[in-house]
Amino acid sequence: QVQLVQSGAEVKKPGASVKVSCKASGYSFTSYTIHWVRQAPGQRPEWMGWINVGDGNAKYLQKFQDRVTITRDTSASTAYMELSSLTSEDTAVYYCARNSFGVVTYFDCWGQGTLVTVSS
Amino acid sequence: DIVMTQSPDSLAVSLGERATINCKSSQSVLYSSNNKNYLAWYQQKPGQPPKLLIYWASTRESGVPDRFSGSGSGTDFTLTISSLQAEDVAVYYCQQYYSTPALTFGGGTRVEIK
Repeated sequence: QVQLVQSGAEVKKPGASVKVSCKASGYSFTSYTIHWVRQAPGQRPEWMGWINVGDGNAKYLQKFQDRVTITRDTSASTAYMELSSLTSEDTAVYYCARNSFGVVTYFDCWGQGTLVTVSS
Repeated sequence: DIVMTQSPDSLAVSLGERATINCKSSQSVLYSSNNKNYLAWYQQKPGQPPKLLIYWASTRESGVPDRFSGSGSGTDFTLTISSLQAEDVAVYYCQQYYSTPALTFGGGTRVEIK
């Protein structure tokens, strides 16, 4: 079955970087775009950016433009999201999600989430 | 960015009764070229990721019970649970995909049992 499995929880200090992985299985990895969405405690989901897995081209929400990098390793069927210069406001659950139709629409499969805690 | 506003913030409904959730977008999400509304609905239970219920405002995702339905067009949309079941207790979010790449979600509506 289609599945996205993410790496485990992280605790980081302010100013550090975090890299979260998302391993896909059960479908052709290069045929769908992968998106990253975060959700702070009690808040609405916030879309961060996406990657065209086929050609590796990534685009980001402007507020994250200078701090986020989304990449992929097609040989490992894995996407990555790296966020730098962390502050306490980056404490959230980070999800990867598969775009169901086209390149940027709605998401039919989500990873289980990775909790990133930023604390001194 | 398109701002999505949901109402109410929470509602309590008796088992077997109807639950209605509203979602309003700050601008139309209806694409005139294909007459499609670029809106999806998700269900999120505690400790779980969101689950896709509805896309194109009214198309039910495969495997989603038919008690869930979506309606509306332009800027005003509704998710209806026709007969609330215990397993439907969750937070529900709308999401627009008209304005890409700046996808945005509503603030969520918590559904509980009365």
